[in-house]
Amino acid sequence: DGGITQSPKYLFRKEGQNVTLSCEQNLNHDAMYWYRQDPGQGLRLIYYSQIVNDFQKGDIAEGYSVSREKKESFPLTVTSAQKNPTAFYLCASRRGGLTATNEKLFFGSGTQLSVL
Amino acid sequence: QQPVQSPQAVILREGEDAVINCSSSKALYSVHWYRQKHGEAPVFLMILLKGGEQKGHEKISASFNEKKQQSSLYLTASQLSYSGTYFCGTEGGSQGNLIFGKGTKLSVKP
Repeated sequence: DGGITQSPKYLFRKEGQNVTLSCEQNLNHDAMYWYRQDPGQGLRLIYYSQIVNDFQKGDIAEGYSVSREKKESFPLTVTSAQKNPTAFYLCASRRGGLTATNEKLFFGSGTQLSVL
Repeated sequence: QQPVQSPQAVILREGEDAVINCSSSKALYSVHWYRQKHGEAPVFLMILLKGGEQKGHEKISASFNEKKQQSSLYLTASQLSYSGTYFCGTEGGSQGNLIFGKGTKLSVKP
């Protein structure tokens, strides 16, 4: 079955440590997204990528980094510069890439990141 | 800038109706609506692309007023399964930059 897989489901980070959240899709979608979800804050856009080897910052990119070397993969690294990383992270994808306006998002099941 | 959703929360009895509003300070290409149940991924409801466009999905429909940069989600004859948090997502300015509001928590009681 096609879909988006996020791993791990739960992740713990120590002070000063970088951690990487995985997002893989087999839907052949061009566009991929990372959102952060905090209680009462909705979904806030961290980074998005419309084609391979290209990505743009969202509203809260500071302290995060991404790469898009393959169409099916869009990993998110939470760096030590992100001082408040505890949140639920959602990855999403959709068809169309640069012409994706009329395409819906497919979401993964999320990763809960907590600080030790 | 996040679109603004109202109300923040609403409690209904089964069979009652509700309206959730979404407004943006920017011109919009499209408006998306999703529902999320606790601990789960958001699920797609509908996309509206044109000013004045209306769409329906069972007893859930929506409208998009492009001039006012607003969209409304209408839930009629609510069912217990409608409970969850509803998010509007807007895309405008930079294509691909799909941003969401803070959500509206809907609780349907028997």
